[in-house]
Amino acid sequence: AQTVTQSQPEMSVQEAETVTLSCTYDTSESDYYLFWYKQPPSRQMILVIRQEAYKQQNATENRFSVNFQKAAKSFSLKISDSQLGDAAMYFCALATGTASKLTFGTGTRLQVTL
Amino acid sequence: DAGVIQSPRHEVTEMGQEVTLRCKPISGHNSLFWYRQTMMRGLELLIYFNNNVPIDDSGMPEDRFSAKMPNASFSTLKIQPSEPRDSAVYFCASSLWQGLSNQPQHFGDGTRLSIL
Repeated sequence: AQTVTQSQPEMSVQEAETVTLSCTYDTSESDYYLFWYKQPPSRQMILVIRQEAYKQQNATENRFSVNFQKAAKSFSLKISDSQLGDAAMYFCALATGTASKLTFGTGTRLQVTL
Repeated sequence: DAGVIQSPRHEVTEMGQEVTLRCKPISGHNSLFWYRQTMMRGLELLIYFNNNVPIDDSGMPEDRFSAKMPNASFSTLKIQPSEPRDSAVYFCASSLWQGLSNQPQHFGDGTRLSIL
């Protein structure tokens, strides 16, 4: 069975600052994918970033980057130059091999303050 | 391009009634997923299809829930009879499954279901 743990229920960051959201996971599979999804109050689930486990290089999408530590089974999300529109719930998710099923963490609510 | 389309966006109905949620996946995607989101349990996978075939329905809570995918562009999730504890946001997602290559899932806007 796969598990995803987000230990920070809430985080707060000032506009233009940097924040890191934590995620750890557990799986016995060697082939898997990790994702961060954003859910704003509109309740859409928006893909933020994706990381293949076989890639050592950390994924980056504009102001969003990850710190993927495979041995530690850690997958944190860094948001640089935070903007008010970044305020949302952020979910870490794991998909293993060909199964395609996503296992989600419990989410971190990010507040962005002026 | 159109994303995943779900209908209705909101549904309010009385306990015991049949509820049908609808989903149109992204054109060309061959995997479809139904999730349920509640405060207590977070996001849970209910069932998923590859090429219109149900692959894993172990997340379906009980026999009152059923899902179908009659063709590549349409799926339904039905609850009969509905109960207040079924109140949740139900998401449909789709992706392009290419065997070992796992493409990200794209989500619809969800259906907020309230059972009175």
